[in-house]
Amino acid sequence: AQSVTQLDSHVSVSEGTPVLLRCNYSSSYSPSLFWYVQHPNKGLQLLLKYTSAATLVKGINGFEAEFKKSETSFHLTKPSAHMSDAAEYFCVVSSLISNQGGKLIFGQGTELSVKP
Amino acid sequence: DAGVTQSPTHLIKTRGQQVTLRCSPKSGHDTVSWYQQALGQGPQFIFQYYEEEERQRGNFPDRFSGHQFPNYSSELNVNALLLGDSALYLCASSRGPVTHEQFFGPGTRLTVL
Repeated sequence: AQSVTQLDSHVSVSEGTPVLLRCNYSSSYSPSLFWYVQHPNKGLQLLLKYTSAATLVKGINGFEAEFKKSETSFHLTKPSAHMSDAAEYFCVVSSLISNQGGKLIFGQGTELSVKP
Repeated sequence: DAGVTQSPTHLIKTRGQQVTLRCSPKSGHDTVSWYQQALGQGPQFIFQYYEEEERQRGNFPDRFSGHQFPNYSSELNVNALLLGDSALYLCASSRGPVTHEQFFGPGTRLTVL
């Protein structure tokens, strides 16, 4: 079975400092992993995805994540936080069953606060 | 190109009532999945529809049912509403059921009093 664990429920950074949001995954086979962002009263937006290609994945708005199989981790980083980055972030693993369909399994979320 | 749309945006019901939520998928998509997001939680998978059939189902009771129409739009029905059904209901569409990438709508906020 697939699952993800987000290690921090809340992260607070100052504007211009680096962002690190941590995620560990569990999967019985090579996983597909995603990071989604959800701004207040908005839908979920895909930041980036890993689907067994390059282990360092670049996404939108300067975010990137590195897939580390040995550590079963997929941490999200950004070199310099911006006020507009304040939002809820979800680490997600995709569970596909051949001929049946696919579902996304979400972590509990990490709320990112950015201080001026 | 219209993305995923959902209606209504907000809904207030009382316990025991029934509710229907609607979703139109992104253009070119034929598969719709529904998720429930309780306050402070990550979304939980309810079910997925493809070719007008339920393909996968999460751990939700039979009070939750759905339908997909020939134009690929979908409805989520919840009967005998409970207070615990209060949540944001998200619809996601994709090109085919066995795919990693799903596109989400803005959601319907359901409040049960």
